[in-house]
Amino acid sequence: RKEVEQDPGPFNVPEGATVAFNCTYSNSASQSFFWYRQDCRKEPKLLMSVYSSGNEDGRFTAQLNRASQYISLLIRDSKLSDSATYLCVVRFFSNDYKLSFGAGTTVTVRA
Amino acid sequence: NAGVTQTPKFRVLKTGQSMTLLCAQDMNHEYMYWYRQDPGMGLRLIHYSVGEGTTAKGEVPDGYNVSRLKKQNFLLGLESAAPSQTSVYFCASSSAGASSGANVLTFGAGSRLTVL
Repeated sequence: RKEVEQDPGPFNVPEGATVAFNCTYSNSASQSFFWYRQDCRKEPKLLMSVYSSGNEDGRFTAQLNRASQYISLLIRDSKLSDSATYLCVVRFFSNDYKLSFGAGTTVTVRA
Repeated sequence: NAGVTQTPKFRVLKTGQSMTLLCAQDMNHEYMYWYRQDPGMGLRLIHYSVGEGTTAKGEVPDGYNVSRLKKQNFLLGLESAAPSQTSVYFCASSSAGASSGANVLTFGAGSRLTVL
């Protein structure tokens, strides 16, 4: 079983729609959670951290469910520029320098 | 501010050839990493370094070697390239400590390697 699993998609949505997707992780002791964004043939970039209480950054909302071991990302009022692959990232241990990446969920926003 | 610079951006090798990928960062970061990205697999950690002169194995280290002789540089070597090493390679760096700064990776633009 992969340590971090994501629905690869693609999620095809019209502009203005809301899209949401999850990521599951295998290690219940996981410490930190993040969403990175990767545009086609480019490097990944940090989108946002995921806090226990949930957090928002503009149109993006991230949630953590420790009991069911998943994190989610919701994008409201989708823009064409939101088209990208969203990578779920987990740090399993507080003293571990390594981050584990999911394979990504692809979102395509159409006009 | 250059951030993280990888060279070369593209390379085609024949099986058995050797090559070195260079990663340079100008942010004074302690930690540096080499990942490979393959379709459907996500980024997998090859080797990493927590400081000048130190390196450690990641998930998929076989067939690769690394060196961190200077804090700003992290080299990834392929001694005898194999077709299975065809991939996109990303270097990344982050600041030290268990604080949130260590969670923010700054990536280079990637190096696309094809082994025939």
